[in-house]
Amino acid sequence: DAGVIQSPRHEVTEMGQEVTLRCKPISGHDYLFWYRQTMMRGLELLIYFNNNVPIDDSGMPEDRFSAKMPNASFSTLKIQPSEPRDSAVYFCASSTMASGGGETQYFGPGTRLLVL
Amino acid sequence: SQQGEEDPQALSIQEGENATMNCSYKTSINNLQWYRQNSGRGLVHLILIRSNEREKHSGRLRVTLDTSKKSSSLLITASRAADTASYFCATDASNSGYALNFGKGTSLLVTP
Repeated sequence: DAGVIQSPRHEVTEMGQEVTLRCKPISGHDYLFWYRQTMMRGLELLIYFNNNVPIDDSGMPEDRFSAKMPNASFSTLKIQPSEPRDSAVYFCASSTMASGGGETQYFGPGTRLLVL
Repeated sequence: SQQGEEDPQALSIQEGENATMNCSYKTSINNLQWYRQNSGRGLVHLILIRSNEREKHSGRLRVTLDTSKKSSSLLITASRAADTASYFCATDASNSGYALNFGKGTSLLVTP
């Protein structure tokens, strides 16, 4: 398996522009997570899906952020309009449910976003 | 949401030495995981220890869990330069579904 795939790997945009980050989870995984990593705040969970349904979006910073999962093999995280403080590395991760809960998450390589 | 906190924030050792990193958390958990992140890369799962386990080994890694103290430690024995990375603990809070809360990590530097 190719692992979790994210695109683009790097994105540079100007303030006010729309940014769309993409993720393809590992085939067969029924959980998908979006995280944001910054030096100041560390790794923050933004939102996660189970079987394509958003379960917890309490980490989404504000209405400028939205995430969708139209099918089991694709998810997007959109920022509109983008602001310089959105600059961070955004990770997508996927996992599969097993007894006991909280199983291993597999991370993509991340998208490094810079908003000028 | 509660987070694990790693200690120390940074650690520098020489090849062959052992490296110990600690993690403390605040609420009851189902399990605790350790992840590694190489510079510019995604996180990679290292080991998972469940709340009813006290110690677990995987190759050169040894993890302990003390639920009474709400703490865990990760020991890397006979370290190598390739172990240079950031190490994160992640807790699966018992009422949070399958979401994980990550600490800010320990940055480990292993010099030849």
